[in-house]
Amino acid sequence: GQQVMQIPQYQHVQEGEDFTTYCNSSTTLSNIQWYKQRPGGHPVFLIQLVKSGEVKKQKRLTFQFGEAKKNSSLHITATQTTDVGTYFCAGRNTDKLIFGTGTRLQVFP
Amino acid sequence: DTGVSQDPRHKITKRGQNVTFRCDPISEHNRLYWYRQTLGQGPEFLTYFQNEAQLEKSRLLSDRFSAERPKGSFSTLEIQRTEQGDSAMYLCASSVNRATNEKLFFGSGTQLSVL
Repeated sequence: GQQVMQIPQYQHVQEGEDFTTYCNSSTTLSNIQWYKQRPGGHPVFLIQLVKSGEVKKQKRLTFQFGEAKKNSSLHITATQTTDVGTYFCAGRNTDKLIFGTGTRLQVFP
Repeated sequence: DTGVSQDPRHKITKRGQNVTFRCDPISEHNRLYWYRQTLGQGPEFLTYFQNEAQLEKSRLLSDRFSAERPKGSFSTLEIQRTEQGDSAMYLCASSVNRATNEKLFFGSGTQLSVL
């Protein structure tokens, strides 16, 4: 079945450093979504990418969808302590959304 | 509160007992999903409904799991003869089915502990 993997599993950064998480799917996706889950919380939708090679920005966050629509990345510029949490990509190739393994981000002040 | 609500927030049960969880989606959301999440892992798809129809069920789900959405509004997830491996956070999410943009709104989950 479809699998969605993310690397790294964990990332510890100093506040102000950049952070990137990478997402890879075993199958071609119709679209990809990103969610953030704060410690003790539930996943919250961040963004959806649909087109091959699409790039979207939300303030310090940059999201990219690969040309082959099988991979994606999330880049955070100048991390802040409020960025702490686990970031999940979620890929769709049928009706259901398959979540990745997640990257847990810890930011030290 | 117009968000997705789940009840109970926590459930502790003994192995072999049956448990039932409830999810109330955002009103007018026609899709409802159940996911299971264990510590350090991403949400694992269990099943989903469009209105009252259950459209897909994960092959990983044993026959001990059943879900219903009888009137296309709230949903229940029942686990029969619980096992320790069922211990997890059970998340419900709802959405409006749109061809171009469907985002999931998650509830706070039901944390199940099987002793």
